[in-house]
Amino acid sequence: SQQGEEDPQALSIQEGENATMNCSYKTSINNLQWYRQNSGRGLVHLILIRSNEREKHSGRLRVTLDTSKKSSSLLITASRAADTASYFCATDARLRSNTGNQFYFGTGTSLTVIP
Amino acid sequence: KAGVTQTPRYLIKTRGQQVTLSCSPISGHRSVSWYQQTPGQGLQFLFEYFSETQRNKGNFPGRFSGRQFSNSRSEMNVSTLELGDSALYLCASSLGPTKETQYFGPGTRLLVL
Repeated sequence: SQQGEEDPQALSIQEGENATMNCSYKTSINNLQWYRQNSGRGLVHLILIRSNEREKHSGRLRVTLDTSKKSSSLLITASRAADTASYFCATDARLRSNTGNQFYFGTGTSLTVIP
Repeated sequence: KAGVTQTPRYLIKTRGQQVTLSCSPISGHRSVSWYQQTPGQGLQFLFEYFSETQRNKGNFPGRFSGRQFSNSRSEMNVSTLELGDSALYLCASSLGPTKETQYFGPGTRLLVL
């Protein structure tokens, strides 16, 4: 990926457990976002964290950002079968001098929550 | 508000043909971006339009082009289709040109035979 790599590529957990996904990126960013995609459909925005923020919560979601390590993590607590999806991080970055800021998506983590 | 709509949802074409995909953004959104998603390359940025102007372009050949109309609706065109163009093409809209939250459509799945 030009900008983001996610880890693990696939994750399988039991319903009720917590799921943690990690995202690493390469250049400085303005913000980092997490999206969810259900099987071959469009992406749904989950949460945005700005470069000057370290942690953010939204319902069962907790996102952390470490700009010194160029990494972020998404924690889903008390997972449900409906959380089964692919999760992507996206960064707003400029990779080449002749381009404006663009959205770069990570490779994604495929999460399976077993009922 | 209605979400982002994309037409058609599914498309089958043969090599060498051309295709036009359409995207209608959320009402009031002026920025539209296009992405290609394939199992091998993941999600890749194609281009972004704001107020009928292309603001950014990803690393795709000139066979991929797009435009935006005065009502913010956008189309992308792929000419001389290749097998590797088979993908899910996603359109996303946002209020302005800044990279805040993007709202995605369901995508157009293109199969090139």
